[in-house]
Amino acid sequence: GDSVTQMEGPVTLSEEAFLTINCTYTATGYPSLFWYVQYPGEGLQLLLKATKADDKGSNKGFEATYRKETTSFHLEKGSVQVSDSAVYFCALSDSTGGGNKLTFGTGTQLKVEL
Amino acid sequence: ETGVTQSPTHLIKTRGQQVTLRCSSQSGHNTVSWYQQALGQGPQFIFQYYREEENGRGNFPPRFSGLQFPNYSSELNVNALELDDSALYLCASSFWSYNEQFFGPGTRLTVL
Repeated sequence: GDSVTQMEGPVTLSEEAFLTINCTYTATGYPSLFWYVQYPGEGLQLLLKATKADDKGSNKGFEATYRKETTSFHLEKGSVQVSDSAVYFCALSDSTGGGNKLTFGTGTQLKVEL
Repeated sequence: ETGVTQSPTHLIKTRGQQVTLRCSSQSGHNTVSWYQQALGQGPQFIFQYYREEENGRGNFPPRFSGLQFPNYSSELNVNALELDDSALYLCASSFWSYNEQFFGPGTRLTVL
């Protein structure tokens, strides 16, 4: 079945540092890929998405490129801020056969310090 | 435009009891999915409803059941609660043809 593997956290960075959170996936069909962010005590917010190979999703300075050849969707940001501290989830959705469900990784906690 | 809402925010139950969680989908959305998020884990898919019919189910026992109403709101029912059912329950709504899901804030269920 479908699965998502993320790098384990917590990841601790200084403000303005470069961020990479690795994500790889296994899927039988042609999934869409997502990054969701969860702030303490809240639900999930969609950060960015990519629906086909070589697509780049971007939002709020975060980027991720759908790499079919390496089955990866790594999240990057050039300069993190304290306000980026949260848990980040990589997810895939395979709509083969209609409908959709999201398969999530275990999440990576990011802590950004001054 | 109103986003996805869930009620209640928090709930405490004892083992063996039954619980009902509620979700109102975002305006224009006809599909609702439910997820269970245990502490420190990623959300796990429970099931999805489209036009009042269950459309896909994850690896959860039959004591997890649901409903979707004509206005596309939804309920998650859990019978015979177990300690391991303690989790954040997330509802997400979407439009059938698109795979982007929008999440509510969740209901925190504690089973004692």
